[in-house]
Amino acid sequence: AQSVSQHNHHVILSEAASLELGCNYSYGGTVNLFWYVQYPGQHLQLLLKYFSGDPLVKGIKGFEAEFIKSKFSFNLRKPSVQWSDTAEYFCAVGISGTYKYIFGTGTRLKVLA
Amino acid sequence: EAQVTQNPRYLITVTGKKLTVTCSQNMNHEYMSWYRQDPGLGLRQIYYSMNVEVTDKGDVPEGYKVSRKEKRNFPLILESPSPNQTSLYFCASSPGLAGETQYFGPGTRLLVL
Repeated sequence: AQSVSQHNHHVILSEAASLELGCNYSYGGTVNLFWYVQYPGQHLQLLLKYFSGDPLVKGIKGFEAEFIKSKFSFNLRKPSVQWSDTAEYFCAVGISGTYKYIFGTGTRLKVLA
Repeated sequence: EAQVTQNPRYLITVTGKKLTVTCSQNMNHEYMSWYRQDPGLGLRQIYYSMNVEVTDKGDVPEGYKVSRKEKRNFPLILESPSPNQTSLYFCASSPGLAGETQYFGPGTRLLVL
């Protein structure tokens, strides 16, 4: 069965630290990849997405993610986090040609001021 | 403003009392979906709809019903709620297939006593 794994469930960082959140998926076909963010008390919103082309994609607020097809991974990175990045981050996979989305279990990031 | 709205935002009910959570989008999107979010489990898809009168089960459909009589509306119905349906529910919409960005509603927090 298809699945999305986010290995870091809780991450605590100090401001200015670098961030990398892991995301791996299990599906052998073509996928579309997403990172969504949920700030405290708010609904999910898109951070960035990958459909095709350059495997390094840039999103809002200085976030980027790299698609490594051979590793079935789509890790999220930010060189220097801010207190306002405190949120829950969800990796999601859309199975191309279908209406199927699969979400990971989420990573709660807390950034200490 | 393009948005997905849900009502109610908070609901406390008792076991067995039928309830409906409404979802409406004003973006003329073909695809709509319901998710539940539970700690440690991330977002799990309940039902989705590809168009008017076309719906399909997601990963956790038991205990839920949906209907899509109009393109903009996709209500979630709990015929006989049980405590294990206590959760945070999100409605989402997107233009079409699973390569598209989903737009999420603000969420409905449900407590079943």
